[in-house]
Order: sequence, then structure tokens, then C-alpha cells
Amino acid sequence: QQQVKQSPQSLIVQKGGISIINCAYENTAFDYFPWYQQFPGKGPALLIAIRPDVSEKKEGRFTISFNKSAKQFSLHIMDSQPGDSATYFCAASRARNSGNTPLVFGKGTRLSVIA
Amino acid sequence: DTAVSQTPKYLVTQMGNDKSIKCEQNLGHDTMYWYKQDSKKFLKIMFSYNNKELIINETVPNRFSPKSPDKAHLNLHINSLELGDSAVYFCASSPMIGMTDTQYFGPGTRLTVL
Repeated sequence: QQQVKQSPQSLIVQKGGISIINCAYENTAFDYFPWYQQFPGKGPALLIAIRPDVSEKKEGRFTISFNKSAKQFSLHIMDSQPGDSATYFCAASRARNSGNTPLVFGKGTRLSVIA
Repeated sequence: DTAVSQTPKYLVTQMGNDKSIKCEQNLGHDTMYWYKQDSKKFLKIMFSYNNKELIINETVPNRFSPKSPDKAHLNLHINSLELGDSAVYFCASSPMIGMTDTQYFGPGTRLTVL
């Protein structure tokens, strides 16, 4: 049972373009939605995260859009650069005060930004 | 200044052997985790420890036994290795119990079982 579905599996974007990765979740108790970035040979690293009390969060060129009613959230990378080429994972979990649940990861999106 | 370190980085071994992977974090975090990343890059939690106590065991075969001698260390011992155990294993830590805190991942250990 896959609780977080991520698409697309791979994405090729021109330098300067917008990269968009989508995730959908099933468990309505989830209330923390981070995105992790992983470069080849490295461990994942937190990129940006959102909680469902806001519909959008922006940090530099990275924006998370969140749609609670649709149970979907997405990562937008503006002005994509070759250095953004990596695998991106969405994830979801419940807040600690509601009972701990593990981070559930999507299957990842391999992004390639070409010049 | 390595925050979360793992040794070894690569591990190649024969089926049936027993091996260990070590993890250390110097961030002062209370909680540590082991994740398995398969060949398709799928990341799945295996164990979580909070201050040396096991808090999550995600139905991992009992051939896998984590050990936490102190809150800065979480080692993973694997008995009777099988071909399907080949994967990259990541250790991670977070400031306190609860999955909504940022998790800091180590560089991974690529295990190959022949």
C-alpha cells in the first residue's frame, strides 16, 4: 500500500524552465509534508517542508503548493539550473503530538536540467 | 565536520555472512533511524531509536538487529545475508522524537550481497 504517490518518475527540463513534481497522499491524518533532495552518492537532505495550515511556502526558487481538499502537494523549481539535477522525494507524516508515524516517502523523481 | 557518518561506505559480501554497519551523529540529536533504499531508489524506514530505546520497527526480518550503545550511535547488524538485502542503507538523526523534525541523513552504505 503506497501512501504517498509521486509523479513523474523522471523529468527533463531546460535550464531556466520550471520543474514541477507532484505528490498525492491518502492518509488524512498526515500533517507534515517535506521534500528531500538527493544527489548521486549522497544521502537525502531536507529541501523545504510545509504544514497544512498554509497553501503555499516559498524558499528562494523552491515553492511547495498544498491542496488539502485534494490531498495533493507539489514542488515547483523556478529558473531550474543544471545544479538542481538530482532525485527529489516527497514525504508525509503525522505530527508528534498526534502519535508518531514514520516519514512515508514517495518513490522519487529524477530531475535532469539540461543547458 | 561530518554530522551523520556511516562506515563502511561500501560493503561487498557473500550470501550467508553476517555484517555490521556503524552510524554516528555529532549533532546532539535524541533520535536516530535506519532506512533502506532499494535499486529503484525507494526509501523505506526500518528502525527508529529515541535515546537508545527502540520506538519503531517496521516489520523488518529479525535477521536485522539494530543496537544503540548511546544516543550518538546506532549500529545495524545483519545476520545470514541474502541477495535481497543488497541496497543502500542510510542512517539519519533528528533533534527529538517525532517524525516532523528535520531528519539529517548520512552518506549511505552500499551493501552488495553476492
